[in-house]
Amino acid sequence: DAGVIQSPRHEVTEMGQEVTLRCKPISGHNSLFWYRQTMMRGLELLIYFNNNVPIDDSGMPEDRFSAKMPNASFSTLKIQPSEPRDSAVYFCASTLGSASGQSGTGELFFGEGSRLTVL
Amino acid sequence: AQSVTQLGSHVSVSEGALVLLRCNYSSSVPPYLFWYVQYPNQGLQLLLKYTSAATLVKGINGFEAEFKKSETSFHLTKPSAHMSDAAEYFCAVTLSGGYNKLIFGAGTRLAVHP
Repeated sequence: DAGVIQSPRHEVTEMGQEVTLRCKPISGHNSLFWYRQTMMRGLELLIYFNNNVPIDDSGMPEDRFSAKMPNASFSTLKIQPSEPRDSAVYFCASTLGSASGQSGTGELFFGEGSRLTVL
Repeated sequence: AQSVTQLGSHVSVSEGALVLLRCNYSSSVPPYLFWYVQYPNQGLQLLLKYTSAATLVKGINGFEAEFKKSETSFHLTKPSAHMSDAAEYFCAVTLSGGYNKLIFGAGTRLAVHP
């Protein structure tokens, strides 16, 4: 079975450019998460969706970041304009659960990540 | 507020030796606790989880962890390290019944040498 698929795996861009990261969750999962991993801050939850609806975006750093989930099999994380401090590995994860998190296995399935470097 | 603290950002053991990775949590309500492993250039993978059932939890690859409420700890152990265990390990916490906001620790990088 295919796991969580992220693209691109690596992205190098210049400051000010728009960056779009993509994620395909595991089929049948209804909750999707975007995390950011850096050496300084570790793993941070940016936003999560349940049944394609954003439930909590309190972790999104600022207005330059936006995330969408137009359907159950696709999500994007966009940074516009990008800055050097956005350099990180961005992970997408999915699971089956409710919006409140009151049900589910508690196991998140992670993609392999998108390594972003902003020069 | 919930949080987890992992003691030791780097741990080094010999192959065949005991692995002990420490995790202490802070939570005002009964927590759910998890250990995830991250191999180089890969995403995180669940090792094991505690969800208020048995306090000793067995996971994959021979790892286990014990929930100790009195010590607010959830340390990860493996009796005999293998070279393939070299990876980064993350402890995570969330509120009981609420899986959607995992709070991860800073991680512990495990090195295994011959």
